[in-house]
Amino acid sequence: QLQLQESGPRLVRPAETLSLTCTVSGGSISSSPYYWEWVRQLPGKGLEWIGAIYYTGDTYYNPSLKSRVDISVDTSKNQFSLKLDSVTAADTAVYYCARLEGMTTATTSRYYAFWGQGILVPVSS
Amino acid sequence: IQLTQSPSFLSASVGDRVTITCRAGQDVSTYLAWYQQKPLKAPKLLIYAASTLQSGVPSRFSGSGSGTEFTLTISCLQPEDFATYFCQQVRSYPLTFGGGTKVEIK
Repeated sequence: QLQLQESGPRLVRPAETLSLTCTVSGGSISSSPYYWEWVRQLPGKGLEWIGAIYYTGDTYYNPSLKSRVDISVDTSKNQFSLKLDSVTAADTAVYYCARLEGMTTATTSRYYAFWGQGILVPVSS
Repeated sequence: IQLTQSPSFLSASVGDRVTITCRAGQDVSTYLAWYQQKPLKAPKLLIYAASTLQSGVPSRFSGSGSGTEFTLTISCLQPEDFATYFCQQVRSYPLTFGGGTKVEIK
């Protein structure tokens, strides 16, 4: 059974960089046709898509965050990572990693079947 | 692609039939998924390709629609169905989610 687990600091100071890692177990991050994704949920709010990466390093980002976001992959560790620069209190959220099925083909069967449990990252001084 | 869900809040009783609507700002064909989220949990996939029920999801859940208008229906609401529901368009990046519909007990 595929599992994803987010890890990283539990508190980030304003203006610093938020760094999270998602460790994938029970399957290879290099297997196609999956994209590996980051989604966040602001307190009491809806879901916001942050970005995605393919194991080759191909990336897509939310235009509203693009100037501050970098997503990378380490296939040797079966991990992918998120960096969000210059954070403010508005970036306080639960951050989820997830696997997207089907994006590399024309299929309409695209979805997140596997999610991490989520990690709450407050931004506060 | 903007997704607009309605209603944002819904009060219903056990046994009720519930319908949630998701409207897309442009044609997404059937590239649409629905998720259920309970407090402090990751979202759970219910429906993909607008109308395909994910394995293990009860048959009281159903999805329909194509293009710009979609619905999620719960035919007979059960106590465990009280949660928040999100639609997501997966036609193209950047992916987007609807604002959510919270289903609460009347």
